Amino acid sequence: DSGVTQTPKHLITATGQRVTLRCSPRSGDLSVYWYQQSLDQGLQFLIQYYNGEERAKGNILERFSAQQFPDLHSELNLSSLELGDSALYFCASSDRGDYGYTFGSGTRLTVV
Amino acid sequence: GQQLNQSPQSMFIQEGEDVSMNCTSSSIFNTWLWYKQDPGEGPVLLIALYKAGELTSNGRLTAQFGITRKDSFLNISASIPSDVGIYFCAGTTNTGNQFYFGTGTSLTVIP
Repeated sequence: DSGVTQTPKHLITATGQRVTLRCSPRSGDLSVYWYQQSLDQGLQFLIQYYNGEERAKGNILERFSAQQFPDLHSELNLSSLELGDSALYFCASSDRGDYGYTFGSGTRLTVV
Repeated sequence: GQQLNQSPQSMFIQEGEDVSMNCTSSSIFNTWLWYKQDPGEGPVLLIALYKAGELTSNGRLTAQFGITRKDSFLNISASIPSDVGIYFCAGTTNTGNQFYFGTGTSLTVIP
């Protein structure tokens, strides 16, 4: 157990729908990062939050949004889903970033 | 964003062989990390490097922070079937800033 909790583990939904992925960071970590990994692809950085505020943005589509709440958990919202959004979505957390990120086990999203 | 190039993209080796992979960046980094991702799981940190020239081991794994600070290397000795997975490098230019991830090296070990 890495200490980073992601729910749900699996999600199957239809095109056009909206889903919310949840992440609880490791205790004490203020930063949360979201990554997308499509089949046989690398990790695509989506967005970072630090202590409730957006810190950095990567290749995140306008249909996607995220937020970090006062208790530091984060949610990634994916709307108007398309088949191409099917992927593994990882959340990672860190303290000051010196020691890298700790990843959760991911949410596998399948859009049918 | 930063571009990290990992090579090779994939490797197929016999059990017991040694493995070498590397990662290069277009910028100078002050921290390099190596992660391993098992199928269907999240990446797990293997080794962290903080100083140019630093050589750090974790069991059969050895990683080096390149002298130019623009590259890093990972070696696995005497590979075993459980070494199968995708290996990612990651680097950052400044402490506390975002880490950039490489494209990954997929390792297959043939028993």
